[in-house]
Amino acid sequence: QKEVEQDPGPLSVPEGAIVSLNCTYSNSAFQYFMWYRQYSRKGPELLMYTYSSGNKEDGRFTAQVDKSSKYISLFIRDSQPSDSATYLCAMSAATGNQFYFGTGTSLTVIP
Amino acid sequence: EAGVTQFPSHSVIEKGQTVTLRCDPISGHDNLYWYRRVMGKEIKFLLHFVKESKQDESGMPNNRFLAERTGGTYSTLKVQPAELEDSGVYFCASSQRTGGSDTQYFGPGTRLTVL
Repeated sequence: QKEVEQDPGPLSVPEGAIVSLNCTYSNSAFQYFMWYRQYSRKGPELLMYTYSSGNKEDGRFTAQVDKSSKYISLFIRDSQPSDSATYLCAMSAATGNQFYFGTGTSLTVIP
Repeated sequence: EAGVTQFPSHSVIEKGQTVTLRCDPISGHDNLYWYRRVMGKEIKFLLHFVKESKQDESGMPNNRFLAERTGGTYSTLKVQPAELEDSGVYFCASSQRTGGSDTQYFGPGTRLTVL
């Protein structure tokens, strides 16, 4: 079983839509949860970072963590064509530095 | 501030040859990580340096891979001899602090193709 599961998509939405991206995980030791955005032929760029359970909002982006369900989400409001990219979830344990990634979800926002 | 840089951006070699990848972390970042993404799979951890010391190399696939970070600055990852299954994108990341809470900044990756 993979440490982190993420639906690869692809996901295609019209401009202005609300996008929901999700990951599930199996390791209860994970405490830190990240969302990265990766454009084609570029490296992953950190979007959101959360510790333990709860919500975090940054502009049009909201990250949610539900540790009891081992489930994390990223919501994108008022999606824009520039949001078209692959979104990767990543997580790590409190005492470790190794990041565990999902396979990424490919998102296309259609103008 | 310059980000993490990697060289080359793309390398094509034949099976059995040697390739060396280089990573320059963000200035002042003591922690340097190597990850690899094989096509269709998730990004996977290879190893972690703190300054010049290997903190965790549990993800290194086998002894054909050798990572170094002399002087605690840039790092190299050598694959010798390369095999077909080594093809993929090799990412380097760096962070300031040790611990799960620290942000890792990724480079653009080196795309390695072994023919």
